[in-house]
Amino acid sequence: EVQLVQSGAEVKKPGESLKISCKGSGYKFTNYWIGWVRQMPGKGLEWMGIIYPGDSDTRYSPSFQGQVTISADKSISTAYLQFSSLKVSDTAMYYCGRSLDFGGNADYWGQGTLLTVSS
Amino acid sequence: NFTLTQPHSVSESPGKTATISCTRSSGSIGSNYVHWYQQRPGSPPTTVIYEDNQRPSGVPDRFSGSIDSSSNSASLTISGLKTEDEADYFCQSYNSSNWVFGGGTKVTVL
Repeated sequence: EVQLVQSGAEVKKPGESLKISCKGSGYKFTNYWIGWVRQMPGKGLEWMGIIYPGDSDTRYSPSFQGQVTISADKSISTAYLQFSSLKVSDTAMYYCGRSLDFGGNADYWGQGTLLTVSS
Repeated sequence: NFTLTQPHSVSESPGKTATISCTRSSGSIGSNYVHWYQQRPGSPPTTVIYEDNQRPSGVPDRFSGSIDSSSNSASLTISGLKTEDEADYFCQSYNSSNWVFGGGTKVTVL
């Protein structure tokens, strides 16, 4: 069974750093792209970026370039979304999703990681 | 980059047909696949249509997708509406380096 399991909810203070994880199982992790999507409270889906764990090819949305870092450790089938200095405006639900091709649909999604940033 | 524009909301009665448009701002709608996701409150998105008009297994045939080059838009049509179809729907496409999501449409089944 294909699964993407994300790390748990986080409560952080502004300025802190954070790394969210997305662990894939039930498929060959290196053969699929993993994308990250932000959903702010009551809002729509925003694409943040994507990585191909097979060769670490990584692409970012212009809106998130320089704001986050996407990485993957194929030895443990896990992708990461990293924040270096959190802001209150980073408060959102974050989802990972896998796609066979860069232009393919995300056919499986993680359960989401809720991040709350508050002083 | 381009944007995808969806109506904010669509309301229709049970048994009727709801159609959601997704208009691409620049570049041809047919140059890259369009995918459609359904999202219910508190849950991650799920695919209801991929590659413009393909339906994943398990998605009812009441859901269909199409492309209209004349209006440079994609459409998701839900026929025979059921209360369980009440959700947010997002279109998604891409170019050589980015994915793009539409703003989402809330479907209400009155």
